[in-house]
Amino acid sequence: QVQLVQSGAEVKKPGASVKVSCKASGYTFTSYDINWVRQATGQGLEWMGWMNPNSGNTGYAQKFQGRVTMTRNTSISTAYMELSSLRSEDTAVYYCARGISIAAGRVLGYWGQGTLVTVSS
Amino acid sequence: QPVLTQPPSASASLGASVTLTCTLSSGYSNYKVDWYQQRPGKGPRFVMRVGTGGIVGSKGDGIPDRFSVLGSGLNRYLTIKNIQEEDESDYHCGADHGSGSNFVVFGGGTKLTVL
Repeated sequence: QVQLVQSGAEVKKPGASVKVSCKASGYTFTSYDINWVRQATGQGLEWMGWMNPNSGNTGYAQKFQGRVTMTRNTSISTAYMELSSLRSEDTAVYYCARGISIAAGRVLGYWGQGTLVTVSS
Repeated sequence: QPVLTQPPSASASLGASVTLTCTLSSGYSNYKVDWYQQRPGKGPRFVMRVGTGGIVGSKGDGIPDRFSVLGSGLNRYLTIKNIQEEDESDYHCGADHGSGSNFVVFGGGTKLTVL
């Protein structure tokens, strides 16, 4: 079965960077886009961007352009999301999510368990 | 890009029915919307996609038949019949847009309370 397992919680200081991992199993990693979505406590979902694990191509939400980098290591079926210049407003749970089909990469059919990133001085 | 608007809260009694609404901004009446369920303390779960013709594709894994969708004009509806306690969740709608449908926008979510 499809599984996305994320790395553990992080605490970072303002101005630092954080890198969250998402290990995929149960399917061919390079066949489906990985998206990243975040959710601040008590708030709605916020889409950050996508990455094609085969080509490495990415697409980022305008809000995060210049501050987010999505990469992958195909040898270990793992996707990464790095967010830099952290500020308190970046405190949130970060999710990776896989497209429901190859053609519908932005329909988020499978989700990781979430990684809490806390930004605090 | 489209703006998706959802009422912040809704409630329904056990065994009753409820319809949740996601409204697209003007000019986006042909857009499809994806519904996601998020139970308390859990991650989101795909429910189904809806266009003006109704469901697009298949429901998400394990979504019961009690869940259905409709689309009309700028509105995309998620109806839950015979509401159960486990349906108490936040429901989010999302839509892809842009070149190649490569960007996603979400509504603010609706918190459904089962009375």
